Amino acid sequence: DAGVIQSPRHEVTEMGQEVTLRCKPISGHNSLFWYRQTMMRGLELLIYFNNNVPIDDSGMPEDRFSAKMPNASFSTLKIQPSEPRDSAVYFCASSPPGHPYSPLHFGNGTRLTVT
Amino acid sequence: GQQVMQIPQYQHVQEGEDFTTYCNSSTTLSNIQWYKQRPGGHPVFLIQLVKSGEVKKQKRLTFQFGEAKKNSSLHITATQTTDVGTYFCAGESGGGADGLTFGKGTHLIIQP
Repeated sequence: DAGVIQSPRHEVTEMGQEVTLRCKPISGHNSLFWYRQTMMRGLELLIYFNNNVPIDDSGMPEDRFSAKMPNASFSTLKIQPSEPRDSAVYFCASSPPGHPYSPLHFGNGTRLTVT
Repeated sequence: GQQVMQIPQYQHVQEGEDFTTYCNSSTTLSNIQWYKQRPGGHPVFLIQLVKSGEVKKQKRLTFQFGEAKKNSSLHITATQTTDVGTYFCAGESGGGADGLTFGKGTHLIIQP
C-alpha cells in the first residue's frame, strides 16, 4: 500500500504566480478530498470528489482556486494567481467505497509558501 | 453549519500523567472519528465511534461517544513521549465522509 502520494512536498513561489499541487489517491478509493491546514483556521475542507465528480466545493476560498480530477488516480489543485495568505499546508486525502463513514487516508501534504 | 469545538487547545503533561481531550458538536453526529498528527506529519486515523454511549479502547487510549451523540472524548493513560502530537476529532452529521468537520485539535506536549 503506497498510500496517498502528493507532490511537491514543498513549494515556494512569488505572489501572482500559478501553483499546481498534485495528488494520487490510494488505488481503489473512490472519494478524494483536498484540505488546507493553518494554525489559525485548522483543517479546512476545500473540495470533495466522489467517483471523479466534484460533489462539494463550498470550501474553495475564491475563484483563484480550482481543482480537477480527470481520472480515478490523479487530482490537481491549482491556485492562480497565488497570494501570501494562501501559504499553508495542503493535504489530499482519499477514502474507500462501500462504507458510509469511511476513514480518511491523508497524504504527506504540500507546504506552500507564497512570498 | 456544523461546528466541532475541541478543548483544550494545548495540554502540557509530565510523562506518565494522564491526558484527556474533549470534543463537542453543535449538532447530533452520525459518527465521530479521531485522528493523530505528529509534528511535521499528516493526520492518521485512530478510530471511529458510531453508537450512542460507545466506548472503545486501544491499549492506553480510551474513546467515548456521548449518549446524545454530540460529544466525545479521548483519554490517554500514563502518557509516553511517543504520544506527542495533535489529536483531532472529526464529526459527521450526514451519511458520508463529505460532511466530516474537523475540530481544531488538542496539542499534547509531554515533558520527560
